[in-house]
Amino acid sequence: QVQLQESGPGLVKPSETLSLTCTVSGGSIDNYYWGWIRQPPGKGLEWIGYIYYSESTNYNPSLKSRVTISLDTSKTHFSLNLNSVTAADTAVYYCTKGDSFAYFDSWGQGTLVTVSS
Amino acid sequence: QSALTQPASVSASPGQSITISCTGTNSDVGKYNLVSWYQQQPGKAPKLIIYEVNMRPSGVSSRFSGSKSGSTASLTISGLQAEDEADFYCCSYAGSRTSMVFGGGTKLTVL
Repeated sequence: QVQLQESGPGLVKPSETLSLTCTVSGGSIDNYYWGWIRQPPGKGLEWIGYIYYSESTNYNPSLKSRVTISLDTSKTHFSLNLNSVTAADTAVYYCTKGDSFAYFDSWGQGTLVTVSS
Repeated sequence: QSALTQPASVSASPGQSITISCTGTNSDVGKYNLVSWYQQQPGKAPKLIIYEVNMRPSGVSSRFSGSKSGSTASLTISGLQAEDEADFYCCSYAGSRTSMVFGGGTKLTVL
């Protein structure tokens, strides 16, 4: 059973870049879709994007100009970079795994990132 | 405003059944059989309970079932238990440009 664990700074300043890493354990990174979903406090879920093990990517159009998802060459973790952040980017960020691009069958526990000066 | 529309809340007593609707358009729910449902208990990460409209992952109770008619997908929970109390979210593929869209979530209260 694959396990996912997010890590990264819990506080980011406005206009800076939010960077998170998701460590994958208990399984191979090959043949799956690896992604990020976020949830502002007290609100619903928002899909950010995914990377396939072949390194093709797909992003939410509303975030596409600011988002990059990448796979580590060792293929033990993947990362999220979101630049030019504002308070609206404050959320719990979850990393996910999917057998298909169309659903998310494993989730990390989530990490709260607050954007504030 | 979410792309998919769900009722904000539903409630029922233990043992009863409830259905949560998820209304989209003919560009997402109506076009693709790629609707999934997630259960999120307080303070926890969401959990996949239905994928591809009506498929249940291994280990998910058979009390959870999914269906779709036109541009509306539905999640039915039968034999409600106190432990079912949670927020439920639907999600659909919406084509290569938009990709994935979520509903706003439904809070289930077991009375």
